[in-house]
Amino acid sequence: DAGVIQSPRHEVTEMGQEVTLRCKPISGHDYLFWYRQTMMRGLELLIYFNNNVPIDDSGMPEDRFSAKMPNASFSTLKIQPSEPRDSAVYFCASSRDRAYGNTIYFGEGSWLTVV
Amino acid sequence: GDSVTQMEGPVTLSEEAFLTINCTYTATGYPSLFWYVQYPGEGLQLLLKATKADDKGSNKGFEATYRKETTSFHLEKGSVQVSDSAVYFCALRAGGTSYGKLTFGQGTILTVHP
Repeated sequence: DAGVIQSPRHEVTEMGQEVTLRCKPISGHDYLFWYRQTMMRGLELLIYFNNNVPIDDSGMPEDRFSAKMPNASFSTLKIQPSEPRDSAVYFCASSRDRAYGNTIYFGEGSWLTVV
Repeated sequence: GDSVTQMEGPVTLSEEAFLTINCTYTATGYPSLFWYVQYPGEGLQLLLKATKADDKGSNKGFEATYRKETTSFHLEKGSVQVSDSAVYFCALRAGGTSYGKLTFGQGTILTVHP
């Protein structure tokens, strides 16, 4: 079975540009999570969805960040405008349901560099 | 709120040495506990998990036992290999108002030398 698929794997962009990260969760998974990883702050949960509806976006750092999930098989995380401090690895993850014993599966990550 | 604390790293070992990475947690209720591993340049992979007290998770020679009395989930391996060099994350997933999200520890970098 295909895992969580993210694109792009690597992106280098200039400050002020719009960045769109994409995610395809595992088929049949109802929960989708966006995490950010940096050396300073470790792994932070940005936002998560249940059945395409955002449940908690309290981790989204600023209004420059937005996330959507238009259907069960696709989600985007957008940064506009991007800043150097947004440089990080962004992970998408999915889970079958919120039962706490179920595993959350991660994608390979989108490695973002803003110069 | 929920939190996970891992031992400070980095940890450097020689091949075939014994490994312990400590992990303790704070959570309401009875969470499930996980260890994830991240190899250089890659995403997070589930290493093992335990869903209730006294459960032992195991995989690839790694083990961890869910200790409710000490709120701990320490990772152990009897004989590490160079290929085990990676970052290890302890995490919990609680029910209730946490809506099943994962809370991670800060990660422990492990380097194994030949």
